[in-house]
Amino acid sequence: GNSVTQMEGPVTLSEEAFLTINCTYTATGYPSLFWYVQYPGEGLQLLLKATKADDKGSNKGFEATYRKETTSFHLEKGSVQVSDSAVYFCALSGGAGGTSYGKLTFGQGTILTVHP
Amino acid sequence: NAGVTQTPKFQVLKTGQSMTLQCAQDMNHNSMYWYRQDPGMGLRLIYYSASEGTTDKGEVPNGYNVSRLNKREFSLRLESAAPSQTSVYFCASSEATDRGRGSPLHFGNGTRLTVT
Repeated sequence: GNSVTQMEGPVTLSEEAFLTINCTYTATGYPSLFWYVQYPGEGLQLLLKATKADDKGSNKGFEATYRKETTSFHLEKGSVQVSDSAVYFCALSGGAGGTSYGKLTFGQGTILTVHP
Repeated sequence: NAGVTQTPKFQVLKTGQSMTLQCAQDMNHNSMYWYRQDPGMGLRLIYYSASEGTTDKGEVPNGYNVSRLNKREFSLRLESAAPSQTSVYFCASSEATDRGRGSPLHFGNGTRLTVT
């Protein structure tokens, strides 16, 4: 079945540092890939997505590229801010086998803390 | 814009008690989902509903039942709560149909449930 593995956290950075959160996946076929962000006390919000190989998703300075050859979808940001402190989840849907009805398989989440 | 609304926000139950978590969405989405979030495990799918009148099991359905009351509402019931069901529960909705692999999920703010 499908699975998603994220780098273990927590990750602690200083403001304006470069961020990478690694994500690799296992799925047959061509899944869609997502990054979600969860701020304290809230639900998850879609950060960005990519639906086919070599697509780059981007939003709010975050980027991730769908790499089928390495089955990866690493999240990057060039200069983090204190307001980026949150939990980040990598997720996938679909793949081989046809129907998925949008069901997501999530990684375990990475806690990011950014200090001033 | 209400989006996905969950009630209650917090609940404490004793082992063996029952309760129903309520969820409603106002985006006219076809698909709805219940996930549970536990530390270090990401989110795991309990049940989902691809359309009004249909429900299917997810990864961790044991101990739960669901009802898709209409297109807007999708409830989760714990018939006899156990300490292992202590978790944060998230409802989500999506436009996704059988080919909606790239449709993002929209999440509620969660219900924090403690079973003693």
